[in-house]
Amino acid sequence: EVQLLESGGDLVQPGGSLTLSCAASGFSFSSFAMRWVRQAQGKGLEWVSGINDNGRNTNYADSVRRRFIISRDNSKSTLYLQMTDLRAEDTAVYYCAKRGGRGYHDLWGRGTLVTVSS
Amino acid sequence: EIVLTQSPATLSLSPGDRATLSCRASQSIATSLAWYQQKPGRTPRLLIYDASNRATGIPARFSGGGSGTDFTLTISSLEPEDFAVYYCQQFINWPITFGQGTRLEIK
Repeated sequence: EVQLLESGGDLVQPGGSLTLSCAASGFSFSSFAMRWVRQAQGKGLEWVSGINDNGRNTNYADSVRRRFIISRDNSKSTLYLQMTDLRAEDTAVYYCAKRGGRGYHDLWGRGTLVTVSS
Repeated sequence: EIVLTQSPATLSLSPGDRATLSCRASQSIATSLAWYQQKPGRTPRLLIYDASNRATGIPARFSGGGSGTDFTLTISSLEPEDFAVYYCQQFINWPITFGQGTRLEIK
């Protein structure tokens, strides 16, 4: 079955750190760019970060640049998001998504909840 | 950053009605636009890519159109399961951006 499964979401204090993982299965993970997209409760979708197929090129939203690091391990078919200096406004469900075609998202995980609160 | 503005914010219609949702880009994005459907508590689902191509498994009642700055998502005859929030997304430039969403609710 083609799927993405996120994990690692948790309650963390402001200023804390967390690493999210996304395990891919059912497709050739190493052939596709991947992204992280987040959604705060009751709000819209916000792209967070993207990485190309070989991991050499990354992009970040201004809101997370220099605090978050995206990476991947193609040998494990897993995508990561290292988050540091977390803020209340980072509270959201974090989805990993597979890039399709020219840049849309054709496969989404179920998401993992990150809550930043004291 | 390319801003996508969706209208209306909320659309109230009945099953069987035709729905037309709009997405306007702050600058030309050619046909680099996708539409997603999201139901409460669920993952977004790709409906349309490259402005007018239906994704795999999407019913023919969903259609997309437009290019440049103005785009539409049309649902020809609403089924009960179509009531959800719809987002557009551009992928021509970084950062990737989404519209704020249109909530399609039952009248």
